[in-house]
Amino acid sequence: EAGVAQSPRYKIIEKRQSVAFWCNPISGHATLYWYQQILGQGPKLLIQFQNNGVVDDSQLPKDRFSAERLKGVDSTLKIQPAKLEDSAVYLCASSPRGADGYTFGSGTRLTVV
Amino acid sequence: GQQLNQSPQSMFIQEGEDVSMNCTSSSIFNTWLWYKQDPGEGPVLLIALYKAGELTSNGRLTAQFGITRKDSFLNISASIPSDVGIYFCAGMNYGGSQGNLIFGKGTKLSVKP
Repeated sequence: EAGVAQSPRYKIIEKRQSVAFWCNPISGHATLYWYQQILGQGPKLLIQFQNNGVVDDSQLPKDRFSAERLKGVDSTLKIQPAKLEDSAVYLCASSPRGADGYTFGSGTRLTVV
Repeated sequence: GQQLNQSPQSMFIQEGEDVSMNCTSSSIFNTWLWYKQDPGEGPVLLIALYKAGELTSNGRLTAQFGITRKDSFLNISASIPSDVGIYFCAGMNYGGSQGNLIFGKGTKLSVKP
């Protein structure tokens, strides 16, 4: 079974620029999550999708972050404009139902300079 | 919001030693999970615990779900070099389509010089 695919693996941008990350979950997984992991910390949930609907985006900084999962399969996370404190690893995860079978991708490491 | 306190923050191991780490929460979870994260990769699930008091093993790893539902521990017996990495506890409360994880800050396992 193919895992959760994320791209790019690494990205370096200047502050105030825009950036987008892409995630392709495991086939058939209805639930997709985006987490932010700052260096030295555990991952923190940004947004959760169930199919193509948002279940929880309470911790997403909506003034600069946006995410979509238009066809209920792959998803994009965008930051516009980026700040220095957005430097982190952005992890995508998927599961067949909310509670079971969580699988994480390898993440995208973002550096904002 | 919910917070998990994970300890120790870091530890050094010598091959063959047993290792213990634990996690406590200010609030109740109905699922506890333990993950390992290697550099440049996403977290990988080691053990999932679904019932208060449950003791579960996975090879040399043993984890327990505390009776109060506010704590969990992970033991690694007879450590080997490939056990090096960062271990995270995570709590989850789920119902319906929910299932986001609350992570601890991690325990970094390194080899004794």
